[in-house]
Amino acid sequence: EVVMTQSPLSLPVTLGQPASISCTSSQSLVHSNGKIYLNWFHQRPGQSPRRLIYNASNRDSGVPDRFSGSGSGTDFTLKISRVEAEDVGVYYCMQGRQWPPYTFGQGTKLEIK
Amino acid sequence: EVQLLESGGGLVQPGGSLRLSCAGSGFTFSTYPMAWIRQAPGKGLEWVSRIHENGANTHYADSVKGRFTISRDNSKNSLYLQMNSLRAEDTAVYYCVRDGGMATSLGDYWGQGTLVTVSS
Repeated sequence: EVVMTQSPLSLPVTLGQPASISCTSSQSLVHSNGKIYLNWFHQRPGQSPRRLIYNASNRDSGVPDRFSGSGSGTDFTLKISRVEAEDVGVYYCMQGRQWPPYTFGQGTKLEIK
Repeated sequence: EVQLLESGGGLVQPGGSLRLSCAGSGFTFSTYPMAWIRQAPGKGLEWVSRIHENGANTHYADSVKGRFTISRDNSKNSLYLQMNSLRAEDTAVYYCVRDGGMATSLGDYWGQGTLVTVSS
């Protein structure tokens, strides 16, 4: 089973400031087809998760361009260039390279200072 | 607009059974793998099960293997999860999730979730 480890688990951020979340996998998430099977999700309080980033660096439709994903192999990062109030909630990384099972990180809770 | 609508959650006693349903719309349901992901109260996300587009191949988390059965009826654009021998630790919100397959992997669309509570 691929273990996903996120840091930090709690992230207080001032409005308008940047934020960064790290995700590390226990095995490479690069497939022989060249794709990287690492997705990022955001879950606001009381809502279903929403995917932000797929294949490590591709924004889903409708996702603001202040969100960006990067990384390859086993180390990945989600960055928010300028945090807005609507960005609060929990962020999860998930691997889809070696399944079953699909595995998620523990989640990073972003809050406004 | 892609929509996934779960139903069937509720309160059930330990050892009991429940069947969840998910109705898909706004996309060609029969061309996508589908999955169930759950979230225990105050906890993170846990993948539960996945089914191939044609229903032929299914996969399960070890925690539910032998107790849960995933199925689909493409003629009804519907996904199901039959849950037997339920335990307290199965208490969670269960989400129906679309899988983008080899293109983008899991999770481009989620339902609103249905709460399953296992308690006496």
